[in-house]
Amino acid sequence: NAGVTQTPKFRVLKTGQSMTLLCAQDMNHEYMYWYRQDPGMGLRLIHYSVGEGTTAKGEVPDGYNVSRLKKQNFLLGLESAAPSQTSVYFCASSYGAPKVNEQFFGPGTRLTVL
Amino acid sequence: AQSVTQLGSHVSVSEGALVLLRCNYSSSVPPYLFWYVQYPNQGLQLLLKYTSAATLVKGINGFEAEFKKSETSFHLTKPSAHMSDAAEYFCAVSPIGNQFYFGTGTSLTVIP
Repeated sequence: NAGVTQTPKFRVLKTGQSMTLLCAQDMNHEYMYWYRQDPGMGLRLIHYSVGEGTTAKGEVPDGYNVSRLKKQNFLLGLESAAPSQTSVYFCASSYGAPKVNEQFFGPGTRLTVL
Repeated sequence: AQSVTQLGSHVSVSEGALVLLRCNYSSSVPPYLFWYVQYPNQGLQLLLKYTSAATLVKGINGFEAEFKKSETSFHLTKPSAHMSDAAEYFCAVSPIGNQFYFGTGTSLTVIP
């Protein structure tokens, strides 16, 4: 099993450009999450999904959109990138309710917006 | 509201010394609690989790944590630090639901 994979690993964008980050998991997890990690701020939840076709906002959703068309994939989109979106992005997945299980994380995508 | 506070953004210990990383939480319901470790340029890996069973939880690599409800704490310890323990450590809380709340992390340095 590959676990949680993220594509791409690195990306440099210019302000105003758009891009999509892809997260895939092969563990049949119901829940999937997108976080951003910034120095001194830990991980902050951007959006999450509790099942195919459903998404919800997290702590810092502005400037991002997501889609979960297939259970195994969770896409994070930046429509018009800004320098404030320079960060490391992590995808995670977990089994769903009623048990609360740990999250499994991908290796991260390092995004720089110039 | 849920939140996690990790006291000390940087902790240094000598090799062989006790490791103590502090985590306090606030939660409106009895929470599930987690410790994750992040090595450089990698994602987060689960060290251990508390899910309302035994209050002393043992994890991987010799780490353990004790849930103290009266102190709202879930501190991480290891009796003897190893060079390979140098990493960033995150405490996380999850109420019964969908979301996880992470602390800001503690960077552990092990001095030879």
